[in-house]
This record gives sequence, C-alpha cells and structure tokens, in this order.
Amino acid sequence: AQSVAQPEDQVNVAEGNPLTVKCTYSVSGNPYLFWYVQYPNRGLQFLLKYITGDNLVKGSYGFEAEFNKSQTSFHLKKPSALVSDSALYFCAVRDIRQNAGNNRKLIWGLGTSLAVNP
Amino acid sequence: DTEVTQTPKHLVMGMTNKKSLKCEQHMGHRAMYWYKQKAKKPPELMFVYSYEKLSINESVPSRFSPECPNSSLLNLHLHALQPEDSALYLCASTGGNYGYTFGSGTRLTVV
Repeated sequence: AQSVAQPEDQVNVAEGNPLTVKCTYSVSGNPYLFWYVQYPNRGLQFLLKYITGDNLVKGSYGFEAEFNKSQTSFHLKKPSALVSDSALYFCAVRDIRQNAGNNRKLIWGLGTSLAVNP
Repeated sequence: DTEVTQTPKHLVMGMTNKKSLKCEQHMGHRAMYWYKQKAKKPPELMFVYSYEKLSINESVPSRFSPECPNSSLLNLHLHALQPEDSALYLCASTGGNYGYTFGSGTRLTVV
C-alpha cells in the first residue's frame, strides 16, 4: 500500500538552532515529493518539491529538503529556525506511475507540528 | 496571478440550508480539486476536475455537489449538511509544473 510517514507528531527546537522534520514514503516507482506548511487558521502553502535532478532541493523561507532514494526519505531542513516557522508541516507524495488512474492524487503524511521556542 | 481565491472565508449554516462555496484561479491550470480538512489533520480529497470534467469522486455524500462552470471556476454546493461536516474546505489547482496551489479555504460551521 502506498503511504507517507511523518514519524514525529511534534518537533520542538530553539530559535537559531537547525531543524529537521522527517518524512519517509512507500510508493512504487519514482514519485514526486512535496512539503507544505499550514499556519493556524490558514490554507496550505507550498514550500518545495522534488521531481528529478539534484537530491537537495531549496524552497521558500530558507527551507530545503534532501531526497534519499535508498532510504525513501525526504526530510525537511532549515539551518536556523525562526519563531515564525512554528506551524504544521505536511509531506505529500504524488504517484506518477503512467497507469495510475489516480495520479492526480496526493498521498499525505499526518503532519508534524513544529514549535520554535524563543 | 498565482493565486487560488476562495469565498467566503467563513460560513455558518443550518442543517436545512443550501449554500455554495466558490473557488477561482486564473493560472490556466486545468485540474482543480476540493479537499476537506479537519483540525490538525491532513486534507482529504473530495473531488477532482480535469479539463472541466469530474474525474475523481472520493465517495463523497450527495449532500456535497461539485460544479465546474469553466476552466477558472469551481463551486461546491452544500445542502442538508450535518454538524460533522464542519471543517476547512480547501480548493487547489495544478498546472504543468506539478505543484499544487491551494486557496486559503472556507471555514464551514454547520449548526
């Protein structure tokens, strides 16, 4: 079965420290990978995506993510956390197999709540 | 214009009411989506329109009725909803760059 796992419900970091939000996936083939952020009472904002190419992807607000095919992971990172980064983060995978009838569907992780403490 | 616009932002409706949610995008995206999201949970796909035709219906109850009048507009008609339907309803669209652009959502409360 296709799935996305975000093993941590909550991540706490001190402002200025590096942060990592973990994501692993189980999807056949070469999926497209996404990170979204959701601030309280807001919609989902796109952070970054991996489609192909360089395994290190740089995105919005200083975030980056590293695609690791052997470990089927796509962890989100930022060198120096800000209090304003506190939000709910979702990892998602789009199955792009040619014969996948629902290839416009995203498979979502359950989300990780990031709290950055001043 | 790189946005998906949803109206209204908030909606309170009784269980016997009929209301509609509206979503608009002018990015030329040909796939549009409705999602339902409960607090602190991932969004749940409801409907997908591709080239203005309904391509995916995730077994959504008939009290939710989608409509795609044209390539820029997506509606969700609501009738006889239940309190458990209270949620954030998100619209999204996709184009050739594979990314999904989400609207800010409509916070729906059914009383």
